[in-house]
Amino acid sequence: QQQVKQSPQSLIVQKGGISIINCAYENTAFDYFPWYQQFPGKGPALLIAIRPDVSEKKEGRFTISFNKSAKQFSLHIMDSQPGDSATYFCAASNGGSQGNLIFGKGTKLSVKP
Amino acid sequence: DTGVSQDPRHKITKRGQNVTFRCDPISEHNRLYWYRQTLGQGPEFLTYFQNEAQLEKSRLLSDRFSAERPKGSFSTLEIQRTEQGDSAMYLCASSLGGYTDTQYFGPGTRLTVL
Repeated sequence: QQQVKQSPQSLIVQKGGISIINCAYENTAFDYFPWYQQFPGKGPALLIAIRPDVSEKKEGRFTISFNKSAKQFSLHIMDSQPGDSATYFCAASNGGSQGNLIFGKGTKLSVKP
Repeated sequence: DTGVSQDPRHKITKRGQNVTFRCDPISEHNRLYWYRQTLGQGPEFLTYFQNEAQLEKSRLLSDRFSAERPKGSFSTLEIQRTEQGDSAMYLCASSLGGYTDTQYFGPGTRLTVL
């Protein structure tokens, strides 16, 4: 049973454009929603994370939008750059009792110059 | 370097052999996690430790897998009688625990079972 569904599977964006990746979750006990960036041959690196008590969080060019009632959250990358080309994973966890992350299947982003 | 380190980075073995991986977490991180990632998929949780105690194991962790974290510092993951289906990237992550519980991942160990 996949608890975190991520879309699209792949995304091609022009330099300077906006990249949008969406995730939906099922378990209402989840209370921590991070996004990770992974380059080939490397481990995932935390990009930005949000808790359900806020609807939006922005860090530089990266913004998470969170809709608790719809059980959805999304990552927006503004002014996308070729260096942003990587695979992005959304994840969720119930940090209170068990902190293991449930990951989506990933979105491969390619930013064309 | 104060990040999570893993050793070896790559391991090629023959089916039926035993392999052991090591993870050194960020200093003072109480929690340590093991995940497995196959090509084109997100990491899947295997097990985690709070200090030296192994608190949870996924159904993915068959009897051939065993993990330890003696003294609450580094951890080892052993796979006995490897199978071709064990071929994957094995990732280790560590965190301080608590409300924020940001997990920091290591570079992973790529296992290939021939």
